[in-house]
Amino acid sequence: KAGVTQTPRYLIKTRGQQVTLSCSPISGHRSVSWYQQTPGQGLQFLFEYFSETQRNKGNFPGRFSGRQFSNSRSEMNVSTLELGDSALYLCASSRDLYEQYFGPGTRLTVT
Amino acid sequence: QKEVEQNSGPLSVPEGAIASLNCTYSDRGSQSFFWYRQYSGKSPELIMSIYSNGDKEDGRFTAQLNKASQYVSLLIRDSQPSDSATYLCAVNWARGGATNKLIFGTGTLLAVQP
Repeated sequence: KAGVTQTPRYLIKTRGQQVTLSCSPISGHRSVSWYQQTPGQGLQFLFEYFSETQRNKGNFPGRFSGRQFSNSRSEMNVSTLELGDSALYLCASSRDLYEQYFGPGTRLTVT
Repeated sequence: QKEVEQNSGPLSVPEGAIASLNCTYSDRGSQSFFWYRQYSGKSPELIMSIYSNGDKEDGRFTAQLNKASQYVSLLIRDSQPSDSATYLCAVNWARGGATNKLIFGTGTLLAVQP
C-alpha cells in the first residue's frame, strides 16, 4: 500500500510570496492533518480536514489555510510568507480517529 | 505546564539494554496515545499506539499507559544502534470532543552505544 506523498519535497521562497503544498493520503484514508515542525517549537498542529471539511484548527494566523478535495487529497497554502515560516511541513493521514501516518514532508525555506 | 512533556535527553543506553522513555500529559480527556520515532532529517514514523490502561507489546517495544497518573511510557528491549533517534510522544486533543489533533512532546533523543 502506498504511503502518504507530499510535493514538492523542497521549496525556497522569498518573503511576501505565497506557497501551496500538496498531500496525497494513503488510499482509503479520509482524514488529512497538517503539522509544522521547527527546531524551536517542535511539531505543531495546523489543521485537519475530513470529507472536504476543516474539522480542527490550530493556533496559526489566517495566512495559513488549507482545503481538501473529493479524492481526499489536500493542499495547504501560506500567503505573505515570513522568515519564521521556514519549517518542515508534514502531512498525516488516517482513516478517522485512528493512527496518523506521516508523509516525508516539504522543507520550506523563506529568504 | 506544557500539554505533553518529555525529557529531551539525550538518553544514552548500551546496546542490548532496555531504554525507557517517559511522557506526561495534561488533558485528562485524552483517549489516544502514540509514540513516533524520528530519525534525523526524516519524518515521524508511528511505532506504537495505546488506548487503554496497562501494557501493549509489539516486538521489542512495550507501551504503558496510566490515565490516572496521566503518564505514558515506551520501553525498548534489546536496544540496537539503529534505535538511535528522537522519540516523540503524541496525545490526541480531546477538549470539545474526540479529535484528530495531536499534541506532541518535544521528543527524547535516544542514543544506543555499540
